[in-house]
Amino acid sequence: AQTVTQSQPEMSVQEAETVTLSCTYDTSESDYYLFWYKQPPSRQMILVIRQEAYKQQNATENRFSVNFQKAAKSFSLKISDSQLGDAAMYFCAYRSGRVRNQGGSEKLVFGKGTKLTVNP
Amino acid sequence: DVKVTQSSRYLVKRTGEKVFLECVQDMDHENMFWYRQDPGLGLRLIYFSYDVKMKEKGDIPEGYSVSREKKERFSLILESASTNQTSMYLCASRREWGSSYNEQFFGPGTRLTVL
Repeated sequence: AQTVTQSQPEMSVQEAETVTLSCTYDTSESDYYLFWYKQPPSRQMILVIRQEAYKQQNATENRFSVNFQKAAKSFSLKISDSQLGDAAMYFCAYRSGRVRNQGGSEKLVFGKGTKLTVNP
Repeated sequence: DVKVTQSSRYLVKRTGEKVFLECVQDMDHENMFWYRQDPGLGLRLIYFSYDVKMKEKGDIPEGYSVSREKKERFSLILESASTNQTSMYLCASRREWGSSYNEQFFGPGTRLTVL
């Protein structure tokens, strides 16, 4: 079974600075997808960024970028120019690339989350 | 915009009560999911459904059941609520067809307290 590990329960960053959240995963599959989700306090969880395992190029979305190291099974999230609105729980998640009738699953496997505080 | 709504934001029930948590999505998504979120444990999948009347157990199905009679609605049922089911419950939906990495869209959550 796949597992996702976020080793930093809490992180803090100064406004305008850069912070990196760590995520490692364990899988025997070669085709899969990785996601970072953000859950602001008392608000809905939203997708921040996603990465297909077959792509070597790291995904970027404005101030958010990932460092995807497939061999090391590492998928870290970098937030540049941190803003107060970035304060949230961040979850790393894994999904199999195989469809259901090929033994895969639509389900996401989540890490335990990292609480990010942004200091003004 | 995709909208996933849950029937209650906060719910307080008594031990032994039958509890229904409702989730509705408005984007004709095939897949729907129920997660439980607890501090320090992240999100854990309870059940998911990939079509009307179809369901599969997730990682922690014990004590729960689900119902999907219509495509847009996915209900989570606690047959006899217990205090260890006090938690935040999140519903999500996802389009199955199209891109393989279609994202899951989440509802606002229901914080359930069982006394």
